[in-house]
Amino acid sequence: QSALTQPASVSGSPGQSITISCTGTSSDVGGYNYVSWYQQHPGKAPKLMIYEVSNRPSGVSNRFSGSKSGNTASLTISGLQAEDEADYYCSSYTSSSTWVFGGGTKLTVL
Amino acid sequence: EVQLVESGGGLVQPGGSLRLSCAASGFTFSSYDMHWVRQATGKGLEWVSAIGTAGDTYYPGSVKGRFTISRENAKNSLYLQMNSLRAGDTAVYYCARGWEIDYWGQGTLVTVSS
Repeated sequence: QSALTQPASVSGSPGQSITISCTGTSSDVGGYNYVSWYQQHPGKAPKLMIYEVSNRPSGVSNRFSGSKSGNTASLTISGLQAEDEADYYCSSYTSSSTWVFGGGTKLTVL
Repeated sequence: EVQLVESGGGLVQPGGSLRLSCAASGFTFSSYDMHWVRQATGKGLEWVSAIGTAGDTYYPGSVKGRFTISRENAKNSLYLQMNSLRAGDTAVYYCARGWEIDYWGQGTLVTVSS
């Protein structure tokens, strides 16, 4: 199972919106609505930001939103803030009854 | 409050074995699937294994046949038995909860080196 494809880095200025893509196949992202997004600050454990493509856990800011089209899922962060600077990972359930993560995207807030 | 605390990491020689543990609290452990996920220094997340509430287990090809996940609901504990360890298994190993993988522990470092 190959890792899902994410851009290595994205950047934006405070207040702007950015989108991070996560591309898989019909055997993972495209085949199931079990796509999640995680935020990870340096030296910390990952934190769930979005589950089942577009659902936010309690306590996660509504500036974070998720969507999916075909084999590509996306995470959008609106109203960028300095504390959003972190690594972001997508994950998906697969047809092999396994899970797969994306390679990660480093978000820089300029 | 959900808490997951990993232990058992350390330095092991190539070909050796190690058993990781994860102590869970703050939720009904027996009602949740559980996962192990690892992260090599400076690298991305890699899913390692999962166990369902019925004890069904799942692995990626990279660890299948070498790693065994298990759980002991009476002790609210998750385990990962790792055999035939390789340098490429060096990573922080995280215990995580649920189908959505919603809560993570702080991780335990496994170093495979001679």
